[in-house]
Amino acid sequence: DGGITQSPKYLFRKEGQNVTLSCEQNLNHDAMYWYRQDPGQGLRLIYYSQIVNDFQKGDIAEGYSVSREKKESFPLTVTSAQKNPTAFYLCASSSWTGGLNQPQHFGDGTRLSIL
Amino acid sequence: AQTVTQSQPEMSVQEAETVTLSCTYDTSESDYYLFWYKQPPSRQMILVIRQEAYKQQNATENRFSVNFQKAAKSFSLKISDSQLGDAAMYFCASDYTGANSKLTFGKGITLSVRP
Repeated sequence: DGGITQSPKYLFRKEGQNVTLSCEQNLNHDAMYWYRQDPGQGLRLIYYSQIVNDFQKGDIAEGYSVSREKKESFPLTVTSAQKNPTAFYLCASSSWTGGLNQPQHFGDGTRLSIL
Repeated sequence: AQTVTQSQPEMSVQEAETVTLSCTYDTSESDYYLFWYKQPPSRQMILVIRQEAYKQQNATENRFSVNFQKAAKSFSLKISDSQLGDAAMYFCASDYTGANSKLTFGKGITLSVRP
């Protein structure tokens, strides 16, 4: 079955440590996205990528970095500069078909906590 | 720029009855998409229904339907014959139709279903 795989499901970060969240999709989608979800909040866009080797900052990019070396993969690194990293992180992907955006598909998320 | 507002943080409905979830939005685009996503306790984001702004007819998906009032920038979700499995957070969202998909979410509403 096609879909989006996020790993790990749970992740713990120590002070001053960088951690990387994995996102892989086999839907052959060109675009991929990272969102952050805090309690009582909607999803906020961190970074997005429309094509391989290109990505743009979203609304809350500070303290995060991404890469897009392969179409299938869009890893997110939470750096030590992100002072409040505890949140639920969702990855999504979408395609561009018939001249229109198609709905985004979401992974199952990664819960990141500080030790 | 897009903004999405969900002003009701919580709602409750009796099983088998009908409930309406409210959403207002603002956008400078002439064409756009509106969505309702469901997030059950598993935290997976599930697309419930999509409305294309250029279509006057309200979208329906089985027990789910929308009331799209373009002039008022209102987009409510009606759930008929509510079931226990409908209990979840529901997010209203908007997106561009063009090349750069960028979902903007409201803060969500928690729906509980009373047996």
